[in-house]
Amino acid sequence: DIQMTQSPSSLSASVGDGVTITCQASQDISKFLNWYQQKPGKAPKLLIYDASNLETGVPARFSGRGSGTRFTFTISSLQSEDIATYYCQQYDHFPMTFGGGTKVEIK
Amino acid sequence: EVQLVESGGGLVQPGGSLRLSCAASGFSISNYAMTWVRQAPGKGLEWVSGISGSADDTYYAESVKGRFSISRDISDNTLFLEMNTLRAEDTAIYYCAKDRDDILTGPPQTLDYWGQGTLVTVSS
Repeated sequence: DIQMTQSPSSLSASVGDGVTITCQASQDISKFLNWYQQKPGKAPKLLIYDASNLETGVPARFSGRGSGTRFTFTISSLQSEDIATYYCQQYDHFPMTFGGGTKVEIK
Repeated sequence: EVQLVESGGGLVQPGGSLRLSCAASGFSISNYAMTWVRQAPGKGLEWVSGISGSADDTYYAESVKGRFSISRDISDNTLFLEMNTLRAEDTAIYYCAKDRDDILTGPPQTLDYWGQGTLVTVSS
């Protein structure tokens, strides 16, 4: 199975700060990488698909980029409602696999 | 509006069985691949099982192969997960999710709608 390594595992930032999360795949997965947001006690929510495409209704402060084995997810200006755990997920190789998650907190 | 509502979770003894259901509305499950993903307490997301949009193919994680079975009822627009020979390590919240694209073949890829989840606890 493809291993997805996210870093950092947690971070703390102030409202208005830019935040970047990295996801590294153990093999080339082209652009087939998605990002999800999971708030405490809630189901995951799709934010970014195919590495860089913003899902409908998702605020433009969220963005993603990358291809191959290295991907980044950025929140350009952190808001209080962005407190959540973020997961990357690859689907280029069966089975789909998720990263371990990055917990984002407000400083 | 797309909605997914899981049910059927609960407390079961090791070696026991449970059948989870996921009632879908706002779309037809016959047009989309569907997936079960689980999350152990305090842990990350783990893909468990999927079914292609055509239902010609079913897919399982190695950890559940031979014990779990995914199926669907088009008339009820409902997805199921039959879980047998349950183990303590199967304890988790189980989410059903819909594929984003209406591709009838192949495994699930991008999960755009998720249910609220149902908790399965395997313990004596």
